[in-house]
Amino acid sequence: QQQVKQSPQSLIVQKGGIPIINCAYENTAFDYFPWYQQFPGKGPALLIAIRPDVSEKKEGRFTISFNKSAKQFSLHIMDSQPGDSATYFCAARSSGSARQLTFGSGTQLTVLP
Amino acid sequence: SQTIHQWPATLVQPVGSPLSLECTVEGTSNPNLYWYRQAAGRGLQLLFYSVGIGQISSEVPQNLSASRPQDRQFILSSKKLLLSDSGFYLCAWTRRWGRSTEAFFGQGTRLTVV
Repeated sequence: QQQVKQSPQSLIVQKGGIPIINCAYENTAFDYFPWYQQFPGKGPALLIAIRPDVSEKKEGRFTISFNKSAKQFSLHIMDSQPGDSATYFCAARSSGSARQLTFGSGTQLTVLP
Repeated sequence: SQTIHQWPATLVQPVGSPLSLECTVEGTSNPNLYWYRQAAGRGLQLLFYSVGIGQISSEVPQNLSASRPQDRQFILSSKKLLLSDSGFYLCAWTRRWGRSTEAFFGQGTRLTVV
């Protein structure tokens, strides 16, 4: 059972565009929602994260929008650059001591120069 | 500072051969440890996690096993590899307590079973 659904699977934008990646979850026990960025052949690295008591969080050019009632959250990348080309994963963390993350299926973003 | 080491980076193994991937964490104690698998073009699937020495939880039934012989060492094993075991394996850790919940990933192991 896929608990975090991510779309689109791939995304191509021009430099300066604003790609938006969407995720939806089902488990209301999730209490932490990070986004990870992964370059080819590397492990994912945390990009930005949000907790469900906040509706929006910005860090530099990256913004998470969170809609708790709809159980959806999204990543916006302002003024996208070719160096942002990577695979992006949303995730959700279960409450409890194990703190395991459930990942979305990933979005491959290509920013054209 | 904390670092996570995972090796080898790439591995090509014949079907039916054994497997041992190792992951170690430095600069922290009592971490939660995780093994994920990433199939080509797909998301990360949690295979195992551990909240302490000798404590292993499995998320999906499979041909693999995990062990945690020391606090900061996590090992992924198989007695006989299958073709379907091919993939990108990632080790990760999180702090067990505290508000910080970031997961730190290793560089991964690309396993190809032939």
